[in-house]
Amino acid sequence: NAGVTQTPKFRVLKTGQSMTLLCAQDMNHEYMYWYRQDPGMGLRLIHYSVGEGTTAKGEVPDGYNVSRLKKQNFLLGLESAAPSQTSVYFCASSALYEGWVVIRNYNEQFFGPGTRLTVL
Amino acid sequence: DAKTTQPNSMESNEEEPVHLPCNHSTISGTDYIHWYRQLPSQGPEYVIHGLTSNVNNRMASLAIAEDRKSSTLILHRATLRDAAVYYCIAHGGFKTIFGAGTRLFVKA
Repeated sequence: NAGVTQTPKFRVLKTGQSMTLLCAQDMNHEYMYWYRQDPGMGLRLIHYSVGEGTTAKGEVPDGYNVSRLKKQNFLLGLESAAPSQTSVYFCASSALYEGWVVIRNYNEQFFGPGTRLTVL
Repeated sequence: DAKTTQPNSMESNEEEPVHLPCNHSTISGTDYIHWYRQLPSQGPEYVIHGLTSNVNNRMASLAIAEDRKSSTLILHRATLRDAAVYYCIAHGGFKTIFGAGTRLFVKA
């Protein structure tokens, strides 16, 4: 059981280049998330998904696109990288708890090891 | 989701208890209080959560004020491996908003 894995671990891009970050989870979780973390700051939610084929915007979605074609994978794309996108990117997943639409339930998130991206 | 306020940093001696405070004065009645921690160069990991009652697990204890406007994460005996950034989050949905957290320094 690998949990949440992220590919690649490190990447250096030039301004204007594109790339895709891959997140995979083997826990059959419904929810998946992409965060970015800048130096000395907490995590900020970029996009998230509540199930296969669905995605939604988080706090800082501009400049990113996502896709969830398979339940176990969540892809984060940068179409035209900018230096402001230099950051560490974390993927996370969490389970769907029965009855969450009735009462707000807790939702433990499992995080991947992160991808360190530098845009020059 | 309720805004949380935590001290920027705290310091502890090894093998002593640590009390990490968090204020969440705008918490709603169905918002859970979660704590995560982030070790250096790793992703965050879940520590504990609670709603109204105090909670204990193998990692820590969570003490929740009666009015739920504040909570305290308690590490009973700090070790060097507990040096990390601790995040307090109060939310009810599946989206988690992380603040800057409290950086805990543990001295040998």
